[in-house]
Amino acid sequence: SQQGEEDPQALSIQEGENATMNCSYKTSINNLQWYRQNSGRGLVHLILIRSNEREKHSGRLRVTLDTSKKSSSLLITASRAADTASYFCATDHAGANNLFFGTGTRLTVIP
Amino acid sequence: GAGVSQTPSNKVTEKGKYVELRCDPISGHTALYWYRQSLGQGPEFLIYFQGTGAADDSGLPNDRFFAVRPEGSVSTLKIQRTERGDSAVYLCASSPGLNLETQYFGPGTRLLVL
Repeated sequence: SQQGEEDPQALSIQEGENATMNCSYKTSINNLQWYRQNSGRGLVHLILIRSNEREKHSGRLRVTLDTSKKSSSLLITASRAADTASYFCATDHAGANNLFFGTGTRLTVIP
Repeated sequence: GAGVSQTPSNKVTEKGKYVELRCDPISGHTALYWYRQSLGQGPEFLIYFQGTGAADDSGLPNDRFFAVRPEGSVSTLKIQRTERGDSAVYLCASSPGLNLETQYFGPGTRLLVL
């Protein structure tokens, strides 16, 4: 079974608006990553946040992590039509040899 | 440099047939991972190689699935007696050693079993 769950499952916004996606996970982690996927194919790494970090920024992306609630959020500011994609969180926890992915949020940005 | 490549990009087969999916990792990457992604879901781990050996195959769903990496570079995922439920996108990723912080994913192979 998958490690995490994301909400919303789908999100539709106007270009220029901000998009927020949330991820919850079940067990203690070393770090949490966010990936983007276009058209159900290859995954592109966006940002990584370590378990001892609470917030991280990269360009228009802001990620927060609350280990007490086992949750993370990804904020995309000033969205563009090109941001339309599926976004997945992935966790890395002690003893595991692989990443555990969430169920994903399908983001549609309307021009 | 070249990223992770996977062939074929699409594969259609009939129930009961045998298929092979190939992954070419980034040159020099010792770790290689296979994931399977069903429609509307996130990727799920299948198997992980460190060099030539399968270090963790706990994600393989049953004994119809097998993977090899004989020379520590290219890997082949083999599925025997395919079933309709095997239809999914099969993703390969590589990294320089066991480092889950830097996995580079290929474009995937979309398998459809009729």
